[in-house]
Amino acid sequence: GAVVSQHPSWVICKSGTSVKIECRSLDFQATTMFWYRQFPKQSLMLMATSNEGSKATYEQGVEKDKFLINHASLTLSTLTVTSAHPEDSSFYICSARPRDPGGETQYFGPGTRLLVL
Amino acid sequence: GEDVEQSLFLSVREGDSSVINCTYTDSSSTYLYWYKQEPGAGLQLLTYIFSNMDMKQDQRLTVLLNKKDKHLSLRIADTQTGDSAIYFCAETDPDNDYKLSFGAGTTVTVRA
Repeated sequence: GAVVSQHPSWVICKSGTSVKIECRSLDFQATTMFWYRQFPKQSLMLMATSNEGSKATYEQGVEKDKFLINHASLTLSTLTVTSAHPEDSSFYICSARPRDPGGETQYFGPGTRLLVL
Repeated sequence: GEDVEQSLFLSVREGDSSVINCTYTDSSSTYLYWYKQEPGAGLQLLTYIFSNMDMKQDQRLTVLLNKKDKHLSLRIADTQTGDSAIYFCAETDPDNDYKLSFGAGTTVTVRA
């Protein structure tokens, strides 16, 4: 089946540093990838939609200069949290949409847990 | 915007059936989904149903869709301890069927 990986699976960083998270579709090409954020005991909130070769579309309230998204190829999207602060600590999950998705519109990665000290 | 609601908790005895309920607001959603999330992990697609269907069965899972009431349910037969997890229902955005709106998730605890 379709597999989506994320790297790293968890990261701890100091406040003010930038952190890059990778999302890869391992056995399919993804024209679109999505980045979600999940706070403890809460649902997933869509942050942005990333299309290969074009600029990401951010959801209302998400700072595009804070969360930089690059979708350089059909199998890789990256999310960079710039100048991270403790309030950015969260569980970040990506998903990838295949070219011909049918009913299963997207496959999810295992998530990256970010802790900013 | 879309608003998907679920009850937050469900406790069930091992071997019994679990029923998780969800209500959604947008009747023009194309697909409705059930995802499972185990502790510290991402989301696993359990099943989905196309909006013109009333029911879908897949092994121990049965999805019922009542479009009139905008109600979706997931029944897990013969619930096992491995079924303990958070279950999210989600609907597609009618304008962009690849965008999903999630409910808050139902935490299912299976007791021996």
